[in-house]
Amino acid sequence: NAGVTQTPKFQVLKTGQSMTLQCAQDMNHNSMYWYRQDPGMGLRLIYYSASEGTTDKGEVPNGYNVSRLNKREFSLRLESAAPSQTSVYFCASSAGGPWNTEAFFGQGTRLTVV
Amino acid sequence: AQTVTQSQPEMSVQEAETVTLSCTYDTSENNYYLFWYKQPPSRQMILVIRQEAYKQQNATENRFSVNFQKAAKSFSLKISDSQLGDTAMYFCAIEWDDKIIFGKGTRLHILP
Repeated sequence: NAGVTQTPKFQVLKTGQSMTLQCAQDMNHNSMYWYRQDPGMGLRLIYYSASEGTTDKGEVPNGYNVSRLNKREFSLRLESAAPSQTSVYFCASSAGGPWNTEAFFGQGTRLTVV
Repeated sequence: AQTVTQSQPEMSVQEAETVTLSCTYDTSENNYYLFWYKQPPSRQMILVIRQEAYKQQNATENRFSVNFQKAAKSFSLKISDSQLGDTAMYFCAIEWDDKIIFGKGTRLHILP
């Protein structure tokens, strides 16, 4: 049972480069999320998607874009990476709607921007 | 905007003791869910316990229980008979309307 799969697990970028973080879930969940985790800051919501075809900004959306490609996949794109985007990124999914189950998380992506 | 506050950045307790982690939140919503997640050094996020806001009864999962005070917007986690494997970061979270917001976390050390 794969759950939530994120790729890549590690990445080093140079300032100004772009990249896309991929996320896929196999639990038929409606809601998907992207978070960043920084020391002392907890998990901060970047973007979320309540259903296929919809996306909404979270707490810290600047510098990021997302695509809900289909019900399974939710990608996060950094168009022009900055050192301030060095972080651990987590993708998560939940059933959403009236079910309000807990979120299931991927293993995280450690991104370093130099 | 909804916020979640964990006022204890770090705590240490002896093995087998009981420890309580604090969490307060602010929301104007009436229907929401509250969670405690654990993040061990492996970085994996693990659900510890959940509480539906409309339920008055406090949730319990084995050694883990919560004290949910809706009027005070407080949601503390009690760990009884703490074990070395409980050493981790603990995050409080609120979910409403398909959005989940986390607190900054409490780093808990269980000492042998």
